[in-house]
Amino acid sequence: GQNIDQPTEMTATEGAIVQINCTYQTSGFNGLFWYQQHAGEAPTFLSYNVLDGLEEKGRFSSFLSRSKGYSYLLLKELQMKDSASYLCAVKRAFGGGGADGLTFGKGTHLIIQP
Amino acid sequence: DAGITQSPRYKITETGRQVTLMCHQTWSHSYMFWYRQDLGHGLRLIYYSAAADITDKGEVPDGYVVSRSKTENFPLTLESATRSQTSVYFCASSKLAAAKNIQYFGAGTRLSVL
Repeated sequence: GQNIDQPTEMTATEGAIVQINCTYQTSGFNGLFWYQQHAGEAPTFLSYNVLDGLEEKGRFSSFLSRSKGYSYLLLKELQMKDSASYLCAVKRAFGGGGADGLTFGKGTHLIIQP
Repeated sequence: DAGITQSPRYKITETGRQVTLMCHQTWSHSYMFWYRQDLGHGLRLIYYSAAADITDKGEVPDGYVVSRSKTENFPLTLESATRSQTSVYFCASSKLAAAKNIQYFGAGTRLSVL
């Protein structure tokens, strides 16, 4: 089975930096995705990690440690529009049996204050 | 570029009725997925399809039926709706099953079963 944990809610200040953590336990691992979801909208892709280390994309960075079952999403220079839910999702190893879809955590609701 | 579209966006029905949610994508993606999103659970995979006429169960398939006669369409049917199926339903597609292939989500269908 799979278990993905992330904080339910976080609050940060405009212009600051925030780190959203995600821990996972999974049978078979083929990558970790981060999605952003604004209220009432579809999830949109932010980042993908399959090897250990940091992936940087503009104001957003994502880190993965496979040995620790741990990832984080780092958001810099926070803007009000970054208020959203951030979803951590794990992809099973292809051919490992079961669904080939993503297994999502419950999401972290990020509130940005002025 | 229409992308992936879901219809209807909102639906109210009664228990015991049959309901079909539509999903259409214009990218010719091989893989399509149906998820439901509920408070406290995050996104959960219902069914997925690797190609036309190939479908498989996800994490929560009970009470749902899918078909995929054409690559671009992946309808989800609730044969006899129950209150527990009140949820937001998201359809997604990806080009291939390979690890990094991003899943792109439709805008969702908000279903209420009274």
